[in-house]
Amino acid sequence: DTGVSQDPRHKITKRGQNVTFRCDPISEHNRLYWYRQTLGQGPEFLTYFQNEAQLEKSRLLSDRFSAERPKGSFSTLEIQRTEQGDSAMYLCASSLRDSGAFFGQGTRLTVV
Amino acid sequence: GESVGLHLPTLSVQEGDNSIINCAYSNSASDYFIWYKQESGKGPQFIIDIRSNMDKRQGQRVTVLLNKTVKHLSLQIAATQPGDSAVYFCAEAADGNKLVFGAGTILRVKS
Repeated sequence: DTGVSQDPRHKITKRGQNVTFRCDPISEHNRLYWYRQTLGQGPEFLTYFQNEAQLEKSRLLSDRFSAERPKGSFSTLEIQRTEQGDSAMYLCASSLRDSGAFFGQGTRLTVV
Repeated sequence: GESVGLHLPTLSVQEGDNSIINCAYSNSASDYFIWYKQESGKGPQFIIDIRSNMDKRQGQRVTVLLNKTVKHLSLQIAATQPGDSAVYFCAEAADGNKLVFGAGTILRVKS
């Protein structure tokens, strides 16, 4: 399978714990996006990278969220001190600049 | 801004009929548009895209129409099948920047 891969698919964590998600994009894609989606809503932009450079981070994103793409390939999204409101599906997508973004299957986070 | 809305509009169609899903986009500077299909528990699936120098593009059983004057995008699905049942999102981007998603439409296909 050469699509976008996300790990884990599901994560249950206690409030206050830190979590980290991983995304492996399609290999030739230089752009990588992170989105968050809650039930009944469209994907909400969090941040995106071109190669290893983080080009934009949503102003809605608190300082508890951080993303990296150290070698311009895979990316990680870390949430520190999780809150119940962080419960959502976290989606990763990749693309070439100016072309369609292809999504992974997402990581479903539940904070209890 | 980013997508909003808890209550998605629903389109119900009979199997075999054509479906038309509409989207009003927000940014007059947007020059690239994509339609996605999302099934329950899965990530959005790319269906078809269109750039602002076109007003129509066709794929397999799908057609996207773009009206820049009124900032409107539509997705037409021919001979709708039960497997087309899903939530459909339009997304827009300006000048190679991030994709911004609309609120989505639920398509229900009745057999």
